[in-house]
Amino acid sequence: ILNVEQSPQSLHVQEGDSTNFTCSFPSSNFYALHWYRWETAKSPEALFVMTLNGDEKKKGRISATLNTKEGYSYLYIKGSQPEDSATYLCAFSGSARQLTFGSGTQLTVLP
Amino acid sequence: DVKVTQSSRYLVKRTGEKVFLECVQDMDHENMFWYRQDPGLGLRLIYFSYDVKMKEKGDIPEGYSVSREKKERFSLILESASTNQTSMYLCASSSGTGSTGELFFGEGSRLTVL
Repeated sequence: ILNVEQSPQSLHVQEGDSTNFTCSFPSSNFYALHWYRWETAKSPEALFVMTLNGDEKKKGRISATLNTKEGYSYLYIKGSQPEDSATYLCAFSGSARQLTFGSGTQLTVLP
Repeated sequence: DVKVTQSSRYLVKRTGEKVFLECVQDMDHENMFWYRQDPGLGLRLIYFSYDVKMKEKGDIPEGYSVSREKKERFSLILESASTNQTSMYLCASSSGTGSTGELFFGEGSRLTVL
């Protein structure tokens, strides 16, 4: 079973703060890296799918970077809002077949 | 609106019972997955399927089986439920070959085994 680690496990920030979290994964046999947002009582929703070293993706105030050679991805949220409160999951694929998820970073944005 | 529908949001079963969790997607996706989610452990893959009547074991298949008789439906079966199978079960689907397609998730089925 592949080791995908996310840090921190949980995070509290004030509204308006910018924040970032990390996903670490094996640096060999990279195929894809996914980020999902999971709000309470809802289904996880995809934010980004990244496949190339150096990829940078952006959706509104959220962006992500990817370094496959050193095995990490960062997710950034600029100007956090209470509606950004959720668990953020990353998932790594080292093959064409399956994704292995990290345990997530739980973000709480305080008004 | 794309949709992955899981048959039951909440189930309570007794040890030894046979449990069926059904998942239907309306996006004509080739790939379907069953995960379980436990606190502190993230989503763990139980089984997945890349085609009708095809299945592959994920990371934690013990105690589970699956069925995919039609493209849109993927069922998870607990032959004899045990208390350590109390968990949140999530179904997902994706299109294309390989793992570059984003997953679309159902709302989850929370199973309690007494």
